[in-house]
Amino acid sequence: AQSVAQPEDQVNVAEGNPLTVKCTYSVSGNPYLFWYVQYPNRGLQFLLKYITGDNLVKGSYGFEAEFNKSQTSFHLKKPSALVSDSALYFCAVRDIRAAGNKLTFGGGTRVLVKP
Amino acid sequence: DGGITQSPKYLFRKEGQNVTLSCEQNLNHDAMYWYRQDPGQGLRLIYYSQIVNDFQKGDIAEGYSVSREKKESFPLTVTSAQKNPTAFYLCASSGLQGASTDTQYFGPGTRLTVL
Repeated sequence: AQSVAQPEDQVNVAEGNPLTVKCTYSVSGNPYLFWYVQYPNRGLQFLLKYITGDNLVKGSYGFEAEFNKSQTSFHLKKPSALVSDSALYFCAVRDIRAAGNKLTFGGGTRVLVKP
Repeated sequence: DGGITQSPKYLFRKEGQNVTLSCEQNLNHDAMYWYRQDPGQGLRLIYYSQIVNDFQKGDIAEGYSVSREKKESFPLTVTSAQKNPTAFYLCASSGLQGASTDTQYFGPGTRLTVL
């Protein structure tokens, strides 16, 4: 079985400050990990993914995430947040040994960036 | 939202009615997916299809049906057997027969409300 936890329902940050959105996962094998962002009444937009290789993954809009196998975490980060980063963020995991191409999503973290 | 379209954007249904949500993609992707999004629960997989004329149940398939007669189309029918159908429905697609490393790309969603 595969699962994802996003421990914070909401993260508040001032514009220009660093932004971190936490994600931990559980899989029986090795994970593939994904981050998506959702703006109100819109579909999910892909930000970045970890498949293999360098533990630091760089993605769209200045976001990056660090894969930490020992802590089973894949936290999303941005060095300097913008008001336009205010949105709902989802972490997702796929066990590479699982059948099909099923993604399991976390419950989402709402980010509010204040000017 | 890329090359994935969903229609309609908003849909109202009376109790006891079946309704069909449309999902079309022009990305030449083999695999397509339907998710349901409820507040605070993230996304849950309803059905997925890795190739034309084949599909599998996801985690919450009861009360839903799908077909995959064409590569670019994956319509979802919400039947009267679905007890609580009010939700935001998201369609996604990914590349080569849903290879596990592939990114899923999402459409803009359909918001279904039961009156």
